[in-house]
Amino acid sequence: NAGVMQNPRHLVRRRGQEARLRCSPMKGHSHVYWYRQLPEEGLKFMVYLQKENIIDESGMPKERFSAEFPKEGPSILRIQQVVRGDSAAYFCASSEQGVSEAFFGQGTRLTVV
Amino acid sequence: KNEVEQSPQNLTAQEGEFITINCSYSVGISALHWLQQHPGGGIVSLFMLSSGKKKHGRLIATINIQEKHSSLHITASHPRDSAVYICAVWDTDKLIFGTGTRLQVFP
Repeated sequence: NAGVMQNPRHLVRRRGQEARLRCSPMKGHSHVYWYRQLPEEGLKFMVYLQKENIIDESGMPKERFSAEFPKEGPSILRIQQVVRGDSAAYFCASSEQGVSEAFFGQGTRLTVV
Repeated sequence: KNEVEQSPQNLTAQEGEFITINCSYSVGISALHWLQQHPGGGIVSLFMLSSGKKKHGRLIATINIQEKHSSLHITASHPRDSAVYICAVWDTDKLIFGTGTRLQVFP
């Protein structure tokens, strides 16, 4: 079991470009969570998804950010028209059930230049 | 006031010392995680617990649901334990994180 896989590990984008972050959950896990860690700040919840469904997106910025978890393939966090303030580490976690042990990926460190 | 408070924020220790990190929370939970993060690194789940006490090697975690408090203890600390330790509580369908405790253990 390879654990939660995130790619890329590092991503550099110019202002205005799009960023796509991928997360493959652990085998057998159908619950995926995205969290953001701004520089020198704690982790903050963004979105919770199950296969093909967004369960809770209360932490997602209203514009430019979207997430999906298709029937086949990884979960994708998409940030359109990135700005400098989007620079952060984005972590994905997965769990077997809703409130159960969560396993985290290595994160994607996004730098907007 | 944060929903999940950790103390201390920073902690330095000599190798071999016994270390305690505390976590108090105000949100209602069913379970709590202790996580470890090395600088620039990923996040590793050390424990998930909903009652009592768990032990793994030199790490011990306890939780008191009534008092909404948990502690992480490290016995015989080692420089490789240097990291940020984060308490996170389940609130309905999401984890709420403390701001972390930065631990440095010197040889």
